[in-house]
Amino acid sequence: RKEVEQDPGPFNVPEGATVAFNCTYSNSASQSFFWYRQDCRKEPKLLMSVYSSGNEDGRFTAQLNRASQYISLLIRDSKLSDSATYLCVVNTGGFKTIFGAGTRLFVKA
Amino acid sequence: NAGVTQTPKFRVLKTGQSMTLLCAQDMNHEYMYWYRQDPGMGLRLIHYSVGEGTTAKGEVPDGYNVSRLKKQNFLLGLESAAPSQTSVYFCASSPKVRTFEQYFGPGTRLTVT
Repeated sequence: RKEVEQDPGPFNVPEGATVAFNCTYSNSASQSFFWYRQDCRKEPKLLMSVYSSGNEDGRFTAQLNRASQYISLLIRDSKLSDSATYLCVVNTGGFKTIFGAGTRLFVKA
Repeated sequence: NAGVTQTPKFRVLKTGQSMTLLCAQDMNHEYMYWYRQDPGMGLRLIHYSVGEGTTAKGEVPDGYNVSRLKKQNFLLGLESAAPSQTSVYFCASSPKVRTFEQYFGPGTRLTVT
């Protein structure tokens, strides 16, 4: 079993739609959680951190459920520019940062 | 600020050849990392460094060596390339107190034939 698992997608949604991605992690001792975004043939970039209380950044909302060991990312009012691969990232302490394989999103006009 | 830069951007090697990938960062970050990214898999850590003159093995270090002679540079070497090392290589750096906040270079696409 992979330490961080994501649905690879792709998710194909129309502009304006709401889309949600989930990610599960296996190490219950994991300490911090993040979403990164990676555009096609580009480098990953930090999108947002994920907290138990949930956090929101504009159209993006991230949630953490420690009991069930999953993380979610909700994108509201999808834009064409949101098309990318979204990487779930888990830090289990120190330098052990695990990147998920990513979920691809295509937003169509 | 250029951020994190990598050279070269593309390279094709024959099996058994050697090469060095160069990473440079201008953000004065203490920590630097080398990852490889393969289709269907997440980024996997090859080696990392917590400071000038120090390096450590990551998840998949075999077949690679690294050096960090200067704080701003982190070199990844392949001594005898194998087809299994065909991949996209990313360098990253992070501040000491926020290791999760990693800044990545644009990547090097390496093909070993």
